[in-house]
Amino acid sequence: EDQVTQSPEALRLQEGESSSLNCSYTVSGLRGLFWYRQDPGKGPEFLFTLYSAGEEKEKERLKATLTKKESFLHITAPKPEDSATYLCAVQAWTSSASKIIFGSGTRLSIRP
Amino acid sequence: GAGVSQSPSNKVTEKGKDVELRCDPISGHTALYWYRQSLGQGLEFLIYFQGNSAPDKSGLPSDRFSAERTGGSVSTLTIQRTQQEDSAVYLCASSRLAGELSYNEQFFGPGTRLTVL
Repeated sequence: EDQVTQSPEALRLQEGESSSLNCSYTVSGLRGLFWYRQDPGKGPEFLFTLYSAGEEKEKERLKATLTKKESFLHITAPKPEDSATYLCAVQAWTSSASKIIFGSGTRLSIRP
Repeated sequence: GAGVSQSPSNKVTEKGKDVELRCDPISGHTALYWYRQSLGQGLEFLIYFQGNSAPDKSGLPSDRFSAERTGGSVSTLTIQRTQQEDSAVYLCASSRLAGELSYNEQFFGPGTRLTVL
């Protein structure tokens, strides 16, 4: 069964303390892996798309990487405004169409 | 408009009543998606439109759920005979890309919080 698992469920860091969020997946026919940020009461905001193992994307303090089994979202020297839920999603190919599967997210909290 | 808008922002209804949720995508975006997000859960895909057509309805939980899109723009999600387990935030997203690429770079609305009493 196609599945996307994110860990940890929640992460509390001190401002400036770097860390990584994990997204592991088991899908057939990976078409793309997406990272989104979601603030409370709002819809998700697109961050990155990764298509193939070894690919990396960066945006400000965030860097996303992809292997054949998982993706990492690295957060370098985070600030309180980076506090949010980070969602990972995978676009997979089934017998006749693509489908998208979201993980449950990692709630990130950055203390000043 | 500047972004995806959804209405109403909140809806409280009684079990057994029908509800209609509306989504206005970003102008010119051909792909439109509906998702459901329950407390503490990831987004659950419901349905996808390319233009006015829905090539993928596989995510609709039951025949009580239906959706339509007109003029390649506004979409409505209708839930008939609502049940308490339908309580969730319903999110709409749009993308300017087409086909398989349209899953990329989705722009989400703020969602409609549905509570079924």
